Order: sequence, then C-alpha cells, then structure tokens
Amino acid sequence: AQKITQTQPGMFVQEKEAVTLDCTYDTSDPSYGLFWYKQPSSGEMIFLIYQGSYDQQNATEGRYSLNFQKARKSANLVISASQLGDSAMYFCAMREPNLSGSARQLTFGSGTQLTVLP
Amino acid sequence: EPEVTQTPSHQVTQMGQEVILRCVPISNHLYFYWYRQILGQKVEFLVSFYNNEISEKSEIFDDQFSVERPDGSNFTLKIRSTKLEDSAMYFCASISGRGYNEQFFGPGTRLTVL
Repeated sequence: AQKITQTQPGMFVQEKEAVTLDCTYDTSDPSYGLFWYKQPSSGEMIFLIYQGSYDQQNATEGRYSLNFQKARKSANLVISASQLGDSAMYFCAMREPNLSGSARQLTFGSGTQLTVLP
Repeated sequence: EPEVTQTPSHQVTQMGQEVILRCVPISNHLYFYWYRQILGQKVEFLVSFYNNEISEKSEIFDDQFSVERPDGSNFTLKIRSTKLEDSAMYFCASISGRGYNEQFFGPGTRLTVL
C-alpha cells in the first residue's frame, strides 16, 4: 500500500483564488510528521509547512495552511490567494519514527502539478 | 541561515563511469540522507547515515552505491558504474535529530548518464 497518496496529478486555479491539494497517508504509528514541499521548475525542494500527529491545531504558514483530519488520515494543503509564482509541483511527505524512536527519512507522494492562471 | 550545499549542480557522465556526488550538511547536524528523483517522478529515499554508518537503505541502494563521510564535513554518494537509469536529481538532506519537524534539503545535483 502507498504510504502517501496524492490523487491529483494536475490542478488549475485562477490567480487570487484559493486551492486545496489533497494528500492522504497510511501509517499505524501514532507518532508521525507530515510535510509539504514546493518544487518549482528549477528543481529545488522548498519546505512549506509541517504538521505533527499530536499537534492540536492545524498548521499555518502565511498563505499556506494544512487541513489535518487525523481520523481520515488526510493532510490537505490549502493555498489562499494564489499567485502566479505558486505554479509548481507540490509534494506531500511523511516521517515515521524508526525502531529506536529517532527520526527517519521522509516518504513522498507522487506530487500535484499546480498551474495558476492569470 | 545555515544551509546544505551540494556540488556539482549538474554532472554529465558516460555509462559505466564512476561518479561522486558531494554534499556539505549543516555543521551541527547528525543525520544525513540521500534521495533521488527521476525526472517527472516522486522523490525516493536512498540511504540514511548516522554515527558514521548507514542506518537505513532502500532497495534502490544496491551494491553500485556507497556513501561516505570522509572528513567530518563532506557527505558523499558514489555510484560505481553508472547506468542510464541512474539519470536523476540527487538530493542530500540533513537534520540535527532534535526536532521531528526538521528536514533541510540541498539544492540537488542533476546527474545525466549518456
């Protein structure tokens, strides 16, 4: 089974509108972290936002917010007031602890290509 | 702000040649990672390194791959005999291990195997 599922290969949004990028995850561990990254055409991975499994509130960072629904195992990214510069690939990722309890590597979803239309 | 650096930014090599990709993690970090992203695909974990040894590796990380931290600052990924399918972007990452929410990626090295 896929650990991270992003079901939208491509999304379009009008400039200044909000858009939601979907992400569902699969883990049996109660302790985990969820990340969203932006990857523009230049290729670098830009960290956007993080949500811990025990965090009581949904994470927010400027125009980015994470709609965390733990029971449904979803961690959707909401971008408000889209800008042309938001056009990029967006990846959802999860970190689970390893056997010793320390942080381990990220597992990524397949990504969503967002295009912001003028 | 400290950052992970990677060199070169782009490497072109002939099939069968050895390549070494270099990374300088953030100086007080303890956990180091290599990831790979084939063009148009998702980012995949290759290997993690802690306390001067490999702590985990994926099935992609076969005998053709090796990692080293030769001098306490550099962290290298060696591909012994490159194949066409090794063409990808390779990302190095590091974390201190104190916070669960951290992950610092380098800018990547684009490897092209001809």
